[in-house]
Amino acid sequence: LAKTTQPISMDSYEGQEVNITCSHNNIATNDYITWYQQFPSQGPRFIIQGYKTKVTNEVASLFIPADRKSSTLSLPRVSLSDTAVYYCLVGRLGGGSYIPTFGRGTSLIVHP
Amino acid sequence: DSGVTQTPKHLITATGQRVTLRCSPRSGDLSVYWYQQSLDQGLQFLIQYYNGEERAKGNILERFSAQQFPDLHSELNLSSLELGDSALYFCASSKNRGSGETQYFGPGTRLLVL
Repeated sequence: LAKTTQPISMDSYEGQEVNITCSHNNIATNDYITWYQQFPSQGPRFIIQGYKTKVTNEVASLFIPADRKSSTLSLPRVSLSDTAVYYCLVGRLGGGSYIPTFGRGTSLIVHP
Repeated sequence: DSGVTQTPKHLITATGQRVTLRCSPRSGDLSVYWYQQSLDQGLQFLIQYYNGEERAKGNILERFSAQQFPDLHSELNLSSLELGDSALYFCASSKNRGSGETQYFGPGTRLLVL
């Protein structure tokens, strides 16, 4: 089972860049790293997925070092609407028998 | 809109009763996942089905059961309900069966057991 560890909470201010790091020391060779965002009373929403180095899309960047034992979700210039819980998930595509483990996630609060 | 639908949106029932939650996955997705989210437990994986067969099982109570039908919709049955079963129940779907597949979540069913 690919266990992940994230900070329980973070605070930031509007316009700042926020970096949330997830540790996954026992990540397997075929595992991918996926981040989700969840607003209160809504289902989690996919943000970004990566395997190694750097991935960028229109909302975030994902940095993965060479050893892949951690990953960092970067949210540029956050706004109040980015206040949410962010989950890091590790698992493989296609086959594998891992149970998807979302954990408690990181509660990000963005202040005016 | 994720393309995943869940019914009903809200459900209020009494202890000891039985309820059925329904989920329709995105078009083309073969996997369906069920999660329970209560205030003090975070998002807990219950069970996954892939193309009609059980694929992975999490912390699902024996009082709970699920199935995926030939048209790929899924139902989660909760019986002998207890106060502690009050929670948000989410369904998610993905194209394939791996735990790393991108999951698309429905809006959830809020269950209140009185």
